[in-house]
Amino acid sequence: QQPVQSPQAVILREGEDAVINCSSSKALYSVHWYRQKHGEAPVFLMILLKGGEQKGHDKISASFNEKKQQSSLYLTASQLSYSGTYFCGTEGATGGFKTIFGAGTRLFVKA
Amino acid sequence: GAGVSQSPRYKVAKRGQDVALRCDPISGHVSLFWYQQALGQGPEFLTYFQNEAQLDKSGLPSDRFFAERPEGSVSTLKIQRTQQEDSAVYLCASSDGGGTGNEQFFGPGTRLTVL
Repeated sequence: QQPVQSPQAVILREGEDAVINCSSSKALYSVHWYRQKHGEAPVFLMILLKGGEQKGHDKISASFNEKKQQSSLYLTASQLSYSGTYFCGTEGATGGFKTIFGAGTRLFVKA
Repeated sequence: GAGVSQSPRYKVAKRGQDVALRCDPISGHVSLFWYQQALGQGPEFLTYFQNEAQLDKSGLPSDRFFAERPEGSVSTLKIQRTQQEDSAVYLCASSDGGGTGNEQFFGPGTRLTVL
């Protein structure tokens, strides 16, 4: 049930781009994206809902393929502050209130 | 404005002791979630409240875990007879919408260490 994230880790130089993927075996209602820095709380980045609605920060972009139950988070022109662990969380289309998080993608941006 | 707060931030318990972890959600938020996060892993769902009603407790790992939100605001997660495998960070999150599809605001967590 846990969504699968890839890659597990990525190292970027400042200014480079990255894509983080999230894949589920279940039909989904929504996909959440959060970033967590070491020792801190996860911080909301974006939610993508079935049907195409998105809620999130202007500088973040993501996609949601409902048929494939896949989502991708696009990080462009990376900054040092982008470093952290990125989690996707999925909510199933069959009801319930769980958000199930993946194991995370560790991103390190170096100068 | 104030975010989600949790107390204590750190708790050390001897195996077999009972612990109570507190969560103060953002004022007016309908939904409240508890998660358990093991080192190097993503948050794992424990339970969900909509106002004072506990609508989903399917993630609670055993009957030693109990959560309540009696007045629809502050919530307490209680763990009885703690075991070493209970050691983790316990995160609380709230959102202003009910049900699914809403941004969750996370607290800083309580790091529980069971010796």
